Amino acid sequence: QQQVKQSPQSLIVQKGGISIINCAYENTAFDYFPWYQQFPGKGPALLIAIRPDVSEKKEGRFTISFNKSAKQFSLHIMDSQPGDSATYFCAATISSGSARQLTFGSGTQLTVLP
Amino acid sequence: DVKVTQSSRYLVKRTGEKVFLECVQDMDHENMFWYRQDPGLGLRLIYFSYDVKMKEKGDIPEGYSVSREKKERFSLILESASTNQTSMYLCASWHRGSQETQYFGPGTRLLVL
Repeated sequence: QQQVKQSPQSLIVQKGGISIINCAYENTAFDYFPWYQQFPGKGPALLIAIRPDVSEKKEGRFTISFNKSAKQFSLHIMDSQPGDSATYFCAATISSGSARQLTFGSGTQLTVLP
Repeated sequence: DVKVTQSSRYLVKRTGEKVFLECVQDMDHENMFWYRQDPGLGLRLIYFSYDVKMKEKGDIPEGYSVSREKKERFSLILESASTNQTSMYLCASWHRGSQETQYFGPGTRLLVL
């Protein structure tokens, strides 16, 4: 059972455009939602994260929007640049406990055209 | 600077071989994880460990085992490699109680012929 569903699988955006990646989760116990960015040949790296007590978090050109009632969250990349071309994963976890696990979405391959 | 290293970037093995993938972290993290990454499937958890000599099955443990004899080292073992285990394998570590999240190694791309 896939607990975090991510869409689209791939996305092509022109330089300067807005990239939007959506995720939906099922487990209401999740209380921490990170996004990871992965470049070819590298492991994923934390990009930005949010907790469900806020509806939006912004860091530079990257914004997470969170809708707790709909159990959905999304990543917005403003003024997308070719250097943003990468695979993006949303994830969710329950932050209590000694052995937290991350449940990942299936990933979105973003291509930003110059 | 935090670091998670994996022993090999690329491996080619034959069906039936025993395969060892090694992961080392230098951050004194309690929790370590092994994932496999396949196109369209994201990252799927194979095994994790929350302390030395402790291990827990993840979502897809079949065909794999793990070993954690020292805090900094977490090994993934394919007892008898099969072609459907061809994949990218990622190791990660996480500090218990941290507000941060997992740090990943660069991955090992395994091809089983």
